[in-house]
Amino acid sequence: GAGVSQSPSNKVTEKGKDVELRCDPISGHTALYWYRQRLGQGLEFLIYFQGNSAPDKSGLPSDRFSAERTGESVSTLTIQRTQQEDSAVYLCASSLATEQYFGPGTRLTVT
Amino acid sequence: QQQVKQSPQSLIVQKGGISIINCAYENTAFDYFPWYQQFPGKGPALLIAIRPDVSEKKEGRFTISFNKSAKQFSLHIMDSQPGDSATYFCAARQPGTYKYIFGTGTRLKVLA
Repeated sequence: GAGVSQSPSNKVTEKGKDVELRCDPISGHTALYWYRQRLGQGLEFLIYFQGNSAPDKSGLPSDRFSAERTGESVSTLTIQRTQQEDSAVYLCASSLATEQYFGPGTRLTVT
Repeated sequence: QQQVKQSPQSLIVQKGGISIINCAYENTAFDYFPWYQQFPGKGPALLIAIRPDVSEKKEGRFTISFNKSAKQFSLHIMDSQPGDSATYFCAARQPGTYKYIFGTGTRLKVLA
């Protein structure tokens, strides 16, 4: 079956604009994660969805960041009023148990 | 308390050699320790994982050694190949959650 897909693969935006990143998890996976990976850095946890439970938003760096997930399907990560420090690769992962399956990421560049 | 410290930051190994990457943690309650491999332009992929009640796990050329008392775990890549050149991340799972703390990554280059 298909793996985790993310779109767009690359996004260049001007400072101050809003962006929306999409993640399509593996079908049937109840858990979905968003991470941020800055150049040469590790993965920084942003948000976690598990089924219909309230999401764990503890990693969101500011109120400019938000994410939604409809049931156990698609998720969108929205960054409002983008700043240059938001430039990074945004990775989505889905999971049924312990193993996370990552998508290829969206490379966001804020100019 | 929640950090996972990974070293070295980068590593160059000759083909056929052993690559060793180390991680250390503070929270003794972490309950699952995976290693991920990431190629440029791709997302990380699970390589091998271990639980704290096991001291070693081997899968092919990849071995995790786990030292619970020292709060350290390491990845050994035997007979390293140029195709192993990638960035490797260790991680630790917070107990009772699906939340992972990742190390900062090790960029491995295996020379042909």
